[in-house]
Amino acid sequence: QVQLVESGGGVVQPGRSLRLSCAASGFTFSSYGMHWVRQAPGKGLEWVAVISYDGSNKYYADSVKGRFTISRDNSKNTLYLQMNSLRAEDTAVYYCAKTAVQGVSVDAFDIWGQGTMVTVSS
Amino acid sequence: EIVMTQSPATLSVSPGERATLSCRASQSVSSNLAWYQQKPGQAPRLLIYGASTRATGIPARFSGSGSGTEFTLTISSLQSEDFAVYYCQQYNNWPITFGQGTRLEIK
Repeated sequence: QVQLVESGGGVVQPGRSLRLSCAASGFTFSSYGMHWVRQAPGKGLEWVAVISYDGSNKYYADSVKGRFTISRDNSKNTLYLQMNSLRAEDTAVYYCAKTAVQGVSVDAFDIWGQGTMVTVSS
Repeated sequence: EIVMTQSPATLSVSPGERATLSCRASQSVSSNLAWYQQKPGQAPRLLIYGASTRATGIPARFSGSGSGTEFTLTISSLQSEDFAVYYCQQYNNWPITFGQGTRLEIK
């Protein structure tokens, strides 16, 4: 079935780096824009970044621009989020999500992963 | 950035009754509006996209309406599994933004 599985979360000190992965299965990964969305403990949803189906276009929330990099490897059906210069306010569950319509980067998110927790603390 | 404002923050409704949740955008998002349901410890689930189209597998008791800046999610007869947090999301402009959520609780 259609599935997204995140990994790579953990506890990291402020200023350090972490890379998240999202393994996709059950659909043609290379045809869909993909997103990262985060949720701080007890808070709402915050969109983080998007990458187009072919990796040619990327957009970021202002809160992570210049520190986070989204990428994908369509040969491995995997989405990534490289997070550098981490701050306490980056502490959250990070979800990857699939755009509902193929070939576009902006649309509703029809499939979400289960999330991976990132804790930034000294 | 488009600000999405949901009301009320918390809604208390009895099972079997109707629930009406509102979402307002700070500027027009056309019909590029989605609704999600999130239960504790789970990822969000897409309910409605295009302001009024139910996603695959979503029961008919869920309906969405509106366009421009005013949107509504209606649950016609609440079931026990519907008590959760609901978020609206606009995907008309970058950055994509979510409302702060409405918690639907059992009265």
